[in-house]
Amino acid sequence: DQQVKQNSPSLSVQEGRISILNCDYTNSMFDYFLWYKKYPAEGPTFLISISSIKDKNEDGRFTVFLNKSAKHLSLHIVPSQPGDSAVYFCAASAHQFYFGTGTSLTVIP
Amino acid sequence: ETGVTQSPTHLIKTRGQQVTLRCSSQSGHNTVSWYQQALGQGPQFIFQYYREEENGRGNFPPRFSGLQFPNYSSELNVNALELDDSALYLCASSYRDPGYEQYFGPGTRLTVT
Repeated sequence: DQQVKQNSPSLSVQEGRISILNCDYTNSMFDYFLWYKKYPAEGPTFLISISSIKDKNEDGRFTVFLNKSAKHLSLHIVPSQPGDSAVYFCAASAHQFYFGTGTSLTVIP
Repeated sequence: ETGVTQSPTHLIKTRGQQVTLRCSSQSGHNTVSWYQQALGQGPQFIFQYYREEENGRGNFPPRFSGLQFPNYSSELNVNALELDDSALYLCASSYRDPGYEQYFGPGTRLTVT
């Protein structure tokens, strides 16, 4: 049973535009959510996180939004840059971490 | 500050064999978690070690076992390898408290033939 889902395997965006990556979850006990970025041949790199008591967290070009009633999480990247091209995983924590299957983002110069 | 390192990078084993993967955690981190990432999937939690004790386990059979050493480095052992064990194995270290951010190593690519 996949408790964290990323329904879009891939996303292409023009450089300078907004990238929106989405994530849905089923377990209402999750209390912490994270986004990781992964380049080929490297381990995932922590990007940004949000506690379940908040609905928004911002760090530079990256903003994560949490909608608990919809059990939905999104990552906004503005403006998108070619170096942002990578696979993005969302993860949720209830003592242990559950990861989505990832969304491959391509930012077109 | 040294990041998380894993060894070996790649290895090939035969079905039924045993394998040991190693992980050195980031300096100052006392918690190590292991994940299995199959092709096209997200990382799946195997187990976590905190201060040399198992501190949580995912849905993996007992032939997946681990150790954490006093210097917080860790091993993942898999016995009786099966073809489906072929995957990227990721190690992540963190402070158990207060943060949840985990820092991942580059992974070990295991192929079982």
